[in-house]
Amino acid sequence: QKEVEQNSGPLSVPEGAIASLNCTYSDRVSQSFFWYRQYSGKSPELIMSIYSNGDKEDGRFTAQLNKASQYVSLLIRDSQPSDSATYLCAVLNAGKSTFGDGTTLTVKP
Amino acid sequence: DAGVIQSPRHEVTEMGQEVTLRCKPISGHDYLFWYRQTMMRGLELLIYFNNNVPIDDSGMPEDRFSAKMPNASFSTLKIQPSEPRDSAVYFCATSTSGRASGELFFGEGSRLTVL
Repeated sequence: QKEVEQNSGPLSVPEGAIASLNCTYSDRVSQSFFWYRQYSGKSPELIMSIYSNGDKEDGRFTAQLNKASQYVSLLIRDSQPSDSATYLCAVLNAGKSTFGDGTTLTVKP
Repeated sequence: DAGVIQSPRHEVTEMGQEVTLRCKPISGHDYLFWYRQTMMRGLELLIYFNNNVPIDDSGMPEDRFSAKMPNASFSTLKIQPSEPRDSAVYFCATSTSGRASGELFFGEGSRLTVL
């Protein structure tokens, strides 16, 4: 079992819709969780971090964490074509971050 | 701040040659990570340093790979000898201590092609 697993995708949504990205992790002691966005040919960029159960909102982005289910999600409201990218989930354990394989999102105008 | 600076941006070399990748971290960041990204294996952690000291090198694929951090402003990742399977994008990322140690700032990457 991979340490961090994401929906394989690709995910395609129309402009203005809600995009939902999911991630599960295997180590129950994990405490810190992150979402990165990576445009094609570019480096990953941190967009959200979440440390406590529940929701965390930042603009059009909402991260959700459920430690009991070992599940993290990212919702993107009012999706825009500029949101088209690969989204990477990362989990911090013992000082190092492990990344999922990413979900590629395409927002169609 | 200029962000994490990596060089070279692109490197094309022949099998058997030595490759050295360089990274200048963000000033004040005391964690430095080297990651490798390929289509097949995704983003893999190779090694990370805390306050210039290597903490975990379990991701270094084999003895051909080595990394150093001689001071807080500079790190290198060396491959000797290089092989075609080493072709990948190598990222350097840095962060601060505590909870924020997982909030990584990535450099633009070094794209390595080994022929």
